[in-house]
Amino acid sequence: KNEVEQSPQNLTAQEGEFITINCSYSVGISALHWLQQHPGGGIVSLFMLSSGKKKHGRLIATINIQEKHSSLHITASHPRDSAVYICAVRGFGNEKLTFGTGTRLTIIP
Amino acid sequence: GAGVSQSPSNKVTEKGKDVELRCDPISGHTALYWYRQSLGQGLEFLIYFQGNSAPDKSGLPSDRFSAERTGGSVSTLTIQRTQQEDSAVYLCASSFFGMTLDSPLHFGNGTRLTVT
Repeated sequence: KNEVEQSPQNLTAQEGEFITINCSYSVGISALHWLQQHPGGGIVSLFMLSSGKKKHGRLIATINIQEKHSSLHITASHPRDSAVYICAVRGFGNEKLTFGTGTRLTIIP
Repeated sequence: GAGVSQSPSNKVTEKGKDVELRCDPISGHTALYWYRQSLGQGLEFLIYFQGNSAPDKSGLPSDRFSAERTGGSVSTLTIQRTQQEDSAVYLCASSFFGMTLDSPLHFGNGTRLTVT
């Protein structure tokens, strides 16, 4: 079992739909990251959080430390949101990230 | 520069040859990371540099892999005697001072390495 599990692996939705991507992890962590990887490979850091909730534009990330679970939500989804979304966790005392295998999101106009 | 710069963007090499991949972090960023993304697999951590401290090499897959960072800036990842399983996209990232909540990671566009 991977330390970081994401679901779903693939998600196709219509423009405007509310999107939820889930991440579960099995180890204690100091922080969790959400990354976005566009076709062509460029990776952008969306959020880094250790508790609660963060919001940036139409993106919202939440984390429940007790349940070892995080969600990434996209409101009013748009075709430009089509990308692979990657969850990564950092343990304690080091800078090493362990990555999920990603969720491929496709938003259809 | 404005972002993390990696070169070359693509590299094709024959099995058994050595390769060097370069990363120019954002100016002023003290933390530098190398990751690898193999086809069909997730990202994996390779090595981390922070200032003048000893690097965390715990993610390097074998002793054929090494990295250095000169002058606290540019980093070079070297793979000796390349094997076909080394084919992957090698990504570099930097941050101002480690991955704190106020110091996000900035990724380069990667070097796609193909070993034939």
